[in-house]
Amino acid sequence: EVQLLESGGGFVQPGGSLRLSCAASGFTFSDYAMSWVRQAPGKGLEWVSAIYGGGDKSYYAASVKGRFTISRDNSKNTLSLEMNSLRAEDTAIYYCAKAHDTPGYYDFGSWGQGTLVTVSS
Amino acid sequence: QSALTQPASVSGSPGQSITISCTGTSSDVGTYNLVSWYQQHPGKAPKLMIYEVTKWPSGVSHRFSGSKSGSTASLTISGLQAEDEADYYCCSYAPGNTHMIFGGGTKLTVL
Repeated sequence: EVQLLESGGGFVQPGGSLRLSCAASGFTFSDYAMSWVRQAPGKGLEWVSAIYGGGDKSYYAASVKGRFTISRDNSKNTLSLEMNSLRAEDTAIYYCAKAHDTPGYYDFGSWGQGTLVTVSS
Repeated sequence: QSALTQPASVSGSPGQSITISCTGTSSDVGTYNLVSWYQQHPGKAPKLMIYEVTKWPSGVSHRFSGSKSGSTASLTISGLQAEDEADYYCCSYAPGNTHMIFGGGTKLTVL
């Protein structure tokens, strides 16, 4: 059974930094692209970033490019999201998601339970 | 690039069929068969219902079906059940600065 467990969320002031982690199990982690998808309180879903299974290619939404960095450690089955220069509009639940069965990052077949990031002064 | 356009809400009675539309552009939905649909119940993580426009993940009821015409994708739910009441989101590959784009979401109410 696929399991994704996010951690690292919390309260941070504008301009601050936070690092999210996602511990994966139940599948061959290095075989799948992984993504971060966020959801602001009461709002819709927004794709944030994706990384291929080998970790060689990563992609970012325009809203976070240059501030967020996605990475993965295939030896530890862990996905990370380093978030810098945080803004109030980054406040959201951040979900870790595994690609379904496609080679790319074009769908999200399994999701974690999410971790809440609150950016406020 | 703006979000894909979905109706804010749809409703139907048990046993009926409903369709949720998802309108994009020639840069995303219109060109790529990489549209997926997600169901989200309140306080829960989203669940993949349809991928690559028409395909079902294992375990998803075939009461849910997907299609596409031009730049508009659609999710049809037949034989509506009370447990289908949820928010539904479409998503498409959108190469360029956006990469992946979601619709604004549709709240389905089962009357």
